[in-house]
Amino acid sequence: GDSVTQMEGPVTLSEEAFLTINCTYTATGYPSLFWYVQYPGEGLQLLLKATKADDKGSNKGFEATYRKETTSFHLEKGSVQVSDSAVYFCALSGSNDMRFGAGTRLTVKP
Amino acid sequence: DAEITQSPRHKITETGRQVTLACHQTWNHNNMFWYRQDLGHGLRLIHYSYGVHDTNKGEVSDGYSVSRSNTEDLPLTLESAASSQTSVYFCASSRGTGGFEQYFGPGTRLTVT
Repeated sequence: GDSVTQMEGPVTLSEEAFLTINCTYTATGYPSLFWYVQYPGEGLQLLLKATKADDKGSNKGFEATYRKETTSFHLEKGSVQVSDSAVYFCALSGSNDMRFGAGTRLTVKP
Repeated sequence: DAEITQSPRHKITETGRQVTLACHQTWNHNNMFWYRQDLGHGLRLIHYSYGVHDTNKGEVSDGYSVSRSNTEDLPLTLESAASSQTSVYFCASSRGTGGFEQYFGPGTRLTVT
């Protein structure tokens, strides 16, 4: 079945460092891909999405490109801030339910 | 503003008791979902519904049930709570499948002693 694999954390960075969180997927057909973010004590909220190959999703300085040839959707940000500390989930949605990765905890230190 | 709410936010119960977690959304979404979140497992789908009177089992449905009598609510019932059901539970809703995002509630932390 469909599945998502994302890099294990935790990830600790200094403020203004470059961030990459890897995400690869296995799916039949042409799924939509998402990144969600979860701040402490809250539910998940959509960060960005891409619905077809070569699409780039972007929001709040984060970007991810839907790469069909490598079945990947890596999350990047050029300069992280302390306020970006959270858990990040990669997810895919095919014709039915949504599948989530295990989550990557990011801590950004001043 | 439209929202999705869950109650209670925290619950402690004993093994063997029946527990119901509430989920209410004002987005007027047809699709609603229940997940549990456990360390190392991400989110796992328990049950979902695509409309009134429609319910479907997810990946980890054993020991849980749902019913959908209206568009706004999808309560989750643990028939006989077990310690393995200690978890954080999230409800979500969406307008459709495929490219539509899911909107999540704030979660319910359930402890079964």
